[in-house]
Amino acid sequence: QSVLTQPPSASATPGQGVSMSCSGSTSNIGNYSVNWYQQLPGTAPKLLMYSNNQRPSGVPDRFSGSKSGTSASLAISGLQSEDEADYYCASWDDSLNGWLFGGGTKLTVL
Amino acid sequence: EVQLVESGGGSVQPGGSLRLSCAASGFIFSSYWMHWIRQVPGKGLVWVSRINEDGSSANYADSVKGRFTISRDNAKNTLYLQMNSLRDEDTAIYYCARNTHVWGQGTMVTVSS
Repeated sequence: QSVLTQPPSASATPGQGVSMSCSGSTSNIGNYSVNWYQQLPGTAPKLLMYSNNQRPSGVPDRFSGSKSGTSASLAISGLQSEDEADYYCASWDDSLNGWLFGGGTKLTVL
Repeated sequence: EVQLVESGGGSVQPGGSLRLSCAASGFIFSSYWMHWIRQVPGKGLVWVSRINEDGSSANYADSVKGRFTISRDNAKNTLYLQMNSLRDEDTAIYYCARNTHVWGQGTMVTVSS
């Protein structure tokens, strides 16, 4: 079964850094790039990172992405209160012949 | 400014039908793959379907295959999702997206008796 696994929650204090993972398989992350989305409460998801580590225009360089093998990570440095949101990873999946999203990580800024 | 505006959501009984629309502006609509993605409020994102630039090719999630049909009218810069044989589990916010990069604000579909 094709699944992208994300930890359900993460937390850190303002100014700290935090990293969240996204674990997949060869049918998805292992052979395709990863996107990351940020969803603030009550809003639509917004693209935060594409092609593993590319930031769309307007996304601060506090956000960075990486991929290794069948896993990807999103790192946020200098955490701010407005970073409190749900974060989703996504990748194309050959088995599904469609896009696959992770279950999301809820980031709490303490 | 790139903009995607969904419409057509609402309440429908199980077994019913609904057609969602997504009006695109601010970019060359006919140059992009377009997607539908849904989200049960409070839950995660689930990809539903995608269609290529000229509408000749489409893919569907297994959960909607045979019931939903994605289409587009490039002359009207509009994406559609025809949803038939709706089930309780189709209740969700439906988002359209350009290339999975740019998303609309979503439209709520509620399937309930």
